[in-house]
Amino acid sequence: SYEVTQPPSVSVSPGQTARIACSGDALPKQYGNWYQQKPGQAPVLVIFKDSERPLGIPERFSGSSSGTTVTLTISGVQAEDEADYYCQSADISGTYVVFGGGTKLTVL
Amino acid sequence: QGQLVQSGAEVKKPGASVKVSCKASGYTFIGYYIHWVRQAPGQGLEWLGWINPYNGVTKYTQKFQGRVTMTRDTSISTAYMELSSLTSDDTAVFYCATSSEEWYLDLWGRGTLVTVSS
Repeated sequence: SYEVTQPPSVSVSPGQTARIACSGDALPKQYGNWYQQKPGQAPVLVIFKDSERPLGIPERFSGSSSGTTVTLTISGVQAEDEADYYCQSADISGTYVVFGGGTKLTVL
Repeated sequence: QGQLVQSGAEVKKPGASVKVSCKASGYTFIGYYIHWVRQAPGQGLEWLGWINPYNGVTKYTQKFQGRVTMTRDTSISTAYMELSSLTSDDTAVFYCATSSEEWYLDLWGRGTLVTVSS
């Protein structure tokens, strides 16, 4: 089955830039999407179609794509950004959805 | 402003089945896919499959083929996910979420906790 892979953890100090990469063989053809999940809450979409930001998501959240990797960037990280972040995409046929294993962002 | 309201927490015994509902409001129910995603305690998100409410077509991830059934009732804008032959490994929060054909899940329910315990 198709997989996308992301690091289990990333740590940054407040005000610095956090980058979380996600890799998968189908990513050149399929969009990457990103979700933020805080404890006890449902996931929230923060980036879709590689680099688009939903209404209400702060501008410090951005996304990019290059080859088989999509990257979530959080500029000027704030304490409230501490959460789990999940990459999500689809398989090469565009039929099946897949989530990465999640990355725990720690704000030091 | 769309909303997905899920049914309440369930406790089931091993071997039983569970059926979770997801009632949609504030948008055109048949216009968007409904996905089901689960999250075991302390674990990541796991996609189970989707249903197209317009025509009832479903796709399930291979891991749950034969054990999961997704249905919908368009008259009440509600989707259902039934999981059978439950084991303790199925203890999880189950979410429903919507997407277009571009497969980004932009509206989520609050989740339904299913506990499997003897």
